Parts: sequence; C-alpha cells; structure tokens
Amino acid sequence: EIVMTQSPATLSVSPGERAALSCRASQSVSNNLAWYQQKPGQPPRLLIYGASTRATGIPARFSGSGSGTEFTLTISSLQSEDFAVYYCQHYNNWPLTFGPGTKVDIK
Amino acid sequence: QVQLVDSGGGVVQPGTSLRLSCAASGFTFSGYAMHWVRQAPGKGLEWVAFISYDGTNKYFADSVKGRFTISRDNSENTVYLQVNSLRADDTAVYYCARGAGGGAYYDYWGQGTLVTVSS
Repeated sequence: EIVMTQSPATLSVSPGERAALSCRASQSVSNNLAWYQQKPGQPPRLLIYGASTRATGIPARFSGSGSGTEFTLTISSLQSEDFAVYYCQHYNNWPLTFGPGTKVDIK
Repeated sequence: QVQLVDSGGGVVQPGTSLRLSCAASGFTFSGYAMHWVRQAPGKGLEWVAFISYDGTNKYFADSVKGRFTISRDNSENTVYLQVNSLRADDTAVYYCARGAGGGAYYDYWGQGTLVTVSS
C-alpha cells in the first residue's frame, strides 16, 4: 500500500497570502495524484487531477505541481472561501489512499 | 446537473448489517465507475470500495474486505454498498463518488450518509 503524507498538518495564513501545501508518496505514483478541498459539513470537492490539471470550475489561483513522490498544491492568494482542509489522493494502483490532510486556517 | 444522493445510514448495533444506496442523476450512469469513500468523525478520508461501469470489476480496502460488498443497478442508476458484520470502527459518513479519468479519482460526491455502530 502506498502511504501518503501531507505537511504541514495545519497552515495559518492571512487572506491574500500565498499557501503551499506538500504531499509525499511512499513510492512513485507518477502523476496519478489528485487534490480535494473539504469544508465542514460538506463532501470533498475535486480541485486538481493528474497532479497539475485544474478540475472544471476551479479558480486559477489553485495550481498543482510535482510528479513521482513529491507534490505541491499552491494557492496563490488566499480568499476567505479557501480556508478548509485539503487532501491529496493517489490513484496509481490499488488500494487508493489519501493523505491525512492539511488544514488551512486564518492567521 | 450531476447529482448523487446517498441514503441508508443509521444507528446499528455491532455485528449487524446495512445497505447503503446512492441514486445518481444528470449523467449517463452506466458509463462511469463508482466508489464509496468514508470519513470517521473528525478524521480523514478512506477509500472503501470500487465498482467498474459495468459491474464486472470490484475492489475493496483491506479493512472491509470480506465484510462489505458493492453492486450497481444501471437500469435504476443506483450503486449499493452492503455493509455486514459492522464494528465500532466502521462508524463514519459514507460518501459515494463518481470515478473520473479512468475511474480512479472522484469528480462528484454525494452528500454522505452517517453510519453509527454502537451498542
């Protein structure tokens, strides 16, 4: 099983600032990596797939990068609606696994 | 628009069973793989099960293998998760999700249904 780790666990950011979230895989997942955003009481929302492709309707301030074992989700200028928990997920092989999440909160 | 409606959760005793349902609309259901993903209270996401677009391929997380089964009825646009021999650590919100990009990441999610296992 591929183990996904995310850092930091919590990221405190001021509105308008840039945030960079890290995701690492215990072995290569190529570019088979997705990012999701989840707000309290809501299901997750797909942000990025293929490590760097924005999903439909996702603002350009969200970008993904990386391949192999190291990935980054960058939010270029945080808006109030971006404070949430972010999860990475690999889909390179079975079982599919998620990282433990990074909570982005208001500084 | 794409809609997934999860149902069937509830409060049950350990060792019992439930059948969760996910009714899909707004897309050609028979053309998409479907998944169940769960989230224990205050915890992260855990993939549970996968079924291919035609029901021929199924995969399960080790934590539920042998206890959970997944099925679909393409004539009713519904996917099911039969959860048996429930344990306290199965307590979670269960989401169905549509598989995209060959079926392995999730572009649409249901609102979730809560399963609470307690004596």
